[in-house]
Amino acid sequence: GQNIDQPTEMTATEGAIVQINCTYQTSGFNGLFWYQQHAGEAPTFLSYNVLDGLEEKGRFSSFLSRSKGYSYLLLKELQMKDSASYLCAVRDRYDYKLSFGAGTTVTVRA
Amino acid sequence: DSGVTQTPKHLITATGQRVTLRCSPRSGDLSVYWYQQSLDQGLQFLIQYYNGEERAKGNILERFSAQQFPDLHSELNLSSLELGDSALYFCASSETQGHYTFGSGTRLTVV
Repeated sequence: GQNIDQPTEMTATEGAIVQINCTYQTSGFNGLFWYQQHAGEAPTFLSYNVLDGLEEKGRFSSFLSRSKGYSYLLLKELQMKDSASYLCAVRDRYDYKLSFGAGTTVTVRA
Repeated sequence: DSGVTQTPKHLITATGQRVTLRCSPRSGDLSVYWYQQSLDQGLQFLIQYYNGEERAKGNILERFSAQQFPDLHSELNLSSLELGDSALYFCASSETQGHYTFGSGTRLTVV
Protein backbone atom coordinates (compact mmCIF):
# COMPACT_ATOMS: atom_id res chain seq x y z
CA GLY A 1 0.00 0.00 0.00
CA GLN A 2 0.91 3.67 -0.06
CA ASN A 3 1.20 6.27 2.68
CA ILE A 4 1.63 9.81 1.37
CA ASP A 5 2.00 12.93 3.52
CA GLN A 6 2.02 16.58 2.54
CA PRO A 7 1.19 19.78 4.43
CA THR A 8 -2.44 20.85 4.44
CA GLU A 9 -2.01 24.54 3.69
CA MET A 10 0.64 27.08 2.70
CA THR A 11 0.44 30.82 2.10
CA ALA A 12 2.89 32.93 0.13
CA THR A 13 3.17 36.37 -1.45
CA GLU A 14 2.92 37.09 -5.16
CA GLY A 15 6.37 36.88 -6.75
CA ALA A 16 7.79 34.70 -3.98
CA ILE A 17 8.85 31.04 -3.95
CA VAL A 18 7.03 28.19 -2.20
CA GLN A 19 8.24 24.64 -1.62
CA ILE A 20 5.70 21.87 -1.01
CA ASN A 21 7.15 18.75 0.57
CA CYS A 22 5.83 15.23 0.14
CA THR A 23 6.95 12.09 1.94
CA TYR A 24 5.83 8.63 1.01
CA GLN A 25 6.07 4.99 1.93
CA THR A 26 5.30 2.42 -0.70
CA SER A 27 5.61 -1.29 -1.35
CA GLY A 28 6.42 -0.78 -5.03
CA PHE A 29 7.56 2.55 -6.47
CA ASN A 30 7.22 3.43 -10.14
CA GLY A 31 7.33 7.22 -10.19
CA LEU A 32 6.11 10.31 -8.40
CA PHE A 33 3.73 12.83 -9.93
CA TRP A 34 2.57 16.32 -9.05
CA TYR A 35 -0.82 17.63 -10.10
CA GLN A 36 -2.50 21.01 -9.74
CA GLN A 37 -6.20 21.20 -8.95
CA HIS A 38 -8.33 24.33 -8.83
CA ALA A 39 -11.47 24.05 -6.72
CA GLY A 40 -14.17 21.99 -8.45
CA GLU A 41 -11.99 21.29 -11.47
CA ALA A 42 -10.02 18.33 -12.76
CA PRO A 43 -6.43 17.78 -11.64
CA THR A 44 -3.89 18.75 -14.30
CA PHE A 45 -0.46 17.18 -14.67
CA LEU A 46 2.54 19.28 -13.59
CA SER A 47 5.58 17.04 -13.30
CA TYR A 48 6.94 13.52 -13.05
CA ASN A 49 10.05 12.08 -11.38
CA VAL A 50 11.15 8.47 -11.52
CA LEU A 51 14.91 8.95 -10.95
CA ASP A 52 16.58 10.93 -8.18
CA GLY A 53 17.20 14.58 -8.88
CA LEU A 54 15.59 17.77 -10.02
CA GLU A 55 13.25 18.21 -12.98
CA GLU A 56 12.69 21.80 -14.07
CA LYS A 57 9.75 22.98 -16.12
CA GLY A 58 9.49 26.74 -16.38
CA ARG A 59 8.40 28.20 -13.04
CA PHE A 60 7.83 24.74 -11.59
CA SER A 61 10.50 22.27 -10.47
CA SER A 62 10.19 18.91 -8.76
CA PHE A 63 12.78 16.94 -6.82
CA LEU A 64 12.90 13.28 -5.84
CA SER A 65 14.99 11.23 -3.41
CA ARG A 66 13.92 7.61 -3.60
CA SER A 67 16.13 6.49 -0.70
CA LYS A 68 14.47 9.03 1.59
CA GLY A 69 10.94 8.61 0.20
CA TYR A 70 10.85 12.36 -0.31
CA SER A 71 9.85 14.80 -3.02
CA TYR A 72 9.19 18.50 -3.25
CA LEU A 73 7.49 20.80 -5.72
CA LEU A 74 9.01 24.26 -6.05
CA LEU A 75 6.86 27.08 -7.38
CA LYS A 76 8.79 30.21 -8.36
CA GLU A 77 7.65 33.74 -9.21
CA LEU A 78 4.25 33.01 -7.74
CA GLN A 79 1.21 34.41 -9.49
CA MET A 80 -2.33 34.78 -8.18
CA LYS A 81 -3.47 32.07 -10.59
CA ASP A 82 -1.17 29.60 -8.78
CA SER A 83 -3.62 29.59 -5.86
CA ALA A 84 -4.80 25.96 -5.98
CA SER A 85 -4.41 22.55 -4.40
CA TYR A 86 -1.22 20.65 -5.25
CA LEU A 87 -1.43 16.88 -5.17
CA CYS A 88 1.49 14.52 -4.70
CA ALA A 89 0.88 11.05 -6.15
CA VAL A 90 2.88 7.82 -6.21
CA ARG A 91 2.54 5.22 -8.95
CA ASP A 92 2.50 1.55 -8.08
CA ARG A 93 5.05 -0.62 -9.84
CA TYR A 94 2.68 -3.53 -10.39
CA ASP A 95 -0.63 -2.07 -11.55
CA TYR A 96 0.45 1.52 -12.39
CA LYS A 97 -2.34 3.02 -10.33
CA LEU A 98 -1.74 6.42 -8.73
CA SER A 99 -2.30 6.94 -5.02
CA PHE A 100 -2.74 10.57 -4.06
CA GLY A 101 -1.88 12.55 -0.98
CA ALA A 102 -4.60 14.73 0.54
CA GLY A 103 -3.24 17.80 -1.25
CA THR A 104 -1.68 21.08 -0.18
CA THR A 105 -3.79 24.21 -0.60
CA VAL A 106 -1.56 27.11 -1.64
CA THR A 107 -2.92 30.63 -1.26
CA VAL A 108 -1.07 33.42 -3.05
CA ARG A 109 -1.59 36.89 -1.55
CA ALA A 110 -0.93 40.21 -3.25
CA ASP B 1 -10.39 19.84 -23.52
CA SER B 2 -8.28 17.07 -21.97
CA GLY B 3 -9.54 14.38 -24.34
CA VAL B 4 -11.24 12.45 -21.53
CA THR B 5 -15.01 12.90 -21.66
CA GLN B 6 -17.26 12.40 -18.66
CA THR B 7 -21.04 12.58 -18.65
CA PRO B 8 -23.12 13.88 -17.09
CA LYS B 9 -21.39 16.91 -15.55
CA HIS B 10 -23.96 17.22 -12.79
CA LEU B 11 -26.40 14.73 -11.30
CA ILE B 12 -28.92 15.24 -8.51
CA THR B 13 -30.76 12.19 -7.26
CA ALA B 14 -32.55 10.88 -4.20
CA THR B 15 -31.30 8.44 -1.59
CA GLY B 16 -31.83 4.81 -2.55
CA GLN B 17 -31.59 5.49 -6.26
CA ARG B 18 -29.10 4.15 -8.80
CA VAL B 19 -27.02 6.18 -11.27
CA THR B 20 -24.55 5.48 -14.05
CA LEU B 21 -21.55 7.69 -14.77
CA ARG B 22 -19.88 7.43 -18.14
CA CYS B 23 -16.29 8.00 -19.24
CA SER B 24 -14.67 7.97 -22.67
CA PRO B 25 -10.87 7.80 -22.42
CA ARG B 26 -8.39 9.76 -24.49
CA SER B 27 -7.83 8.23 -27.92
CA GLY B 28 -5.25 5.43 -27.69
CA ASP B 29 -5.34 5.10 -23.90
CA LEU B 30 -6.18 1.57 -22.75
CA SER B 31 -6.29 2.24 -19.00
CA VAL B 32 -9.22 3.86 -17.22
CA TYR B 33 -9.27 4.81 -13.54
CA TRP B 34 -12.14 6.00 -11.35
CA TYR B 35 -11.65 8.26 -8.33
CA GLN B 36 -14.00 9.75 -5.76
CA GLN B 37 -13.35 13.17 -4.23
CA SER B 38 -15.59 14.23 -1.36
CA LEU B 39 -15.71 17.83 -0.14
CA ASP B 40 -12.28 18.97 1.03
CA GLN B 41 -10.92 15.44 0.69
CA GLY B 42 -8.23 13.90 -1.44
CA LEU B 43 -8.73 11.70 -4.45
CA GLN B 44 -9.74 8.20 -3.36
CA PHE B 45 -8.98 5.44 -5.85
CA LEU B 46 -11.98 3.27 -6.67
CA ILE B 47 -11.13 0.94 -9.55
CA GLN B 48 -8.93 0.51 -12.62
CA TYR B 49 -9.52 -1.17 -15.96
CA TYR B 50 -7.02 -2.05 -18.65
CA ASN B 51 -8.24 -2.99 -22.10
CA GLY B 52 -11.56 -4.28 -20.79
CA GLU B 53 -10.29 -6.15 -17.74
CA GLU B 54 -10.30 -5.11 -14.10
CA ARG B 55 -6.73 -4.52 -13.00
CA ALA B 56 -6.85 -3.00 -9.51
CA LYS B 57 -9.47 -2.27 -6.90
CA GLY B 58 -9.40 0.31 -4.15
CA ASN B 59 -11.83 0.88 -1.30
CA ILE B 60 -14.83 0.60 -3.57
CA LEU B 61 -18.13 -0.11 -1.85
CA GLU B 62 -20.09 -3.23 -2.78
CA ARG B 63 -22.92 -0.92 -3.88
CA PHE B 64 -20.59 0.43 -6.59
CA SER B 65 -19.56 -1.44 -9.72
CA ALA B 66 -17.85 -0.61 -12.97
CA GLN B 67 -16.97 -2.04 -16.33
CA GLN B 68 -14.98 -1.18 -19.43
CA PHE B 69 -16.51 -1.97 -22.79
CA PRO B 70 -14.83 -3.19 -26.03
CA ASP B 71 -14.73 0.39 -27.35
CA LEU B 72 -12.80 1.25 -24.12
CA HIS B 73 -15.40 3.56 -22.64
CA SER B 74 -16.20 2.85 -19.01
CA GLU B 75 -19.23 3.14 -16.77
CA LEU B 76 -19.38 3.45 -13.00
CA ASN B 77 -22.65 2.29 -11.46
CA LEU B 78 -23.64 3.56 -8.03
CA SER B 79 -26.67 1.98 -6.37
CA SER B 80 -28.66 2.31 -3.14
CA LEU B 81 -27.29 5.83 -2.93
CA GLU B 82 -26.69 7.46 0.44
CA LEU B 83 -26.14 11.11 1.37
CA GLY B 84 -22.46 10.34 1.95
CA ASP B 85 -22.00 9.31 -1.69
CA SER B 86 -22.30 12.97 -2.71
CA ALA B 87 -18.94 13.79 -4.27
CA LEU B 88 -17.03 14.60 -7.42
CA TYR B 89 -16.31 11.45 -9.41
CA PHE B 90 -13.34 11.65 -11.75
CA CYS B 91 -12.32 9.36 -14.51
CA ALA B 92 -8.76 9.36 -15.80
CA SER B 93 -7.03 7.54 -18.62
CA SER B 94 -3.40 6.82 -19.44
CA GLU B 95 -1.05 4.95 -21.67
CA THR B 96 0.68 2.16 -19.73
CA GLN B 97 3.58 4.24 -18.40
CA GLY B 98 2.23 7.69 -18.98
CA HIS B 99 0.74 10.25 -16.65
CA TYR B 100 -2.99 10.38 -16.03
CA THR B 101 -5.28 12.69 -17.96
CA PHE B 102 -8.41 13.50 -15.99
CA GLY B 103 -11.90 14.20 -17.24
CA SER B 104 -13.79 17.21 -15.91
CA GLY B 105 -15.69 15.05 -13.45
CA THR B 106 -19.30 14.32 -12.54
CA ARG B 107 -20.65 16.16 -9.52
CA LEU B 108 -23.13 13.85 -7.79
CA THR B 109 -25.52 15.27 -5.22
CA VAL B 110 -27.68 12.85 -3.27
CA VAL B 111 -30.65 14.47 -1.54
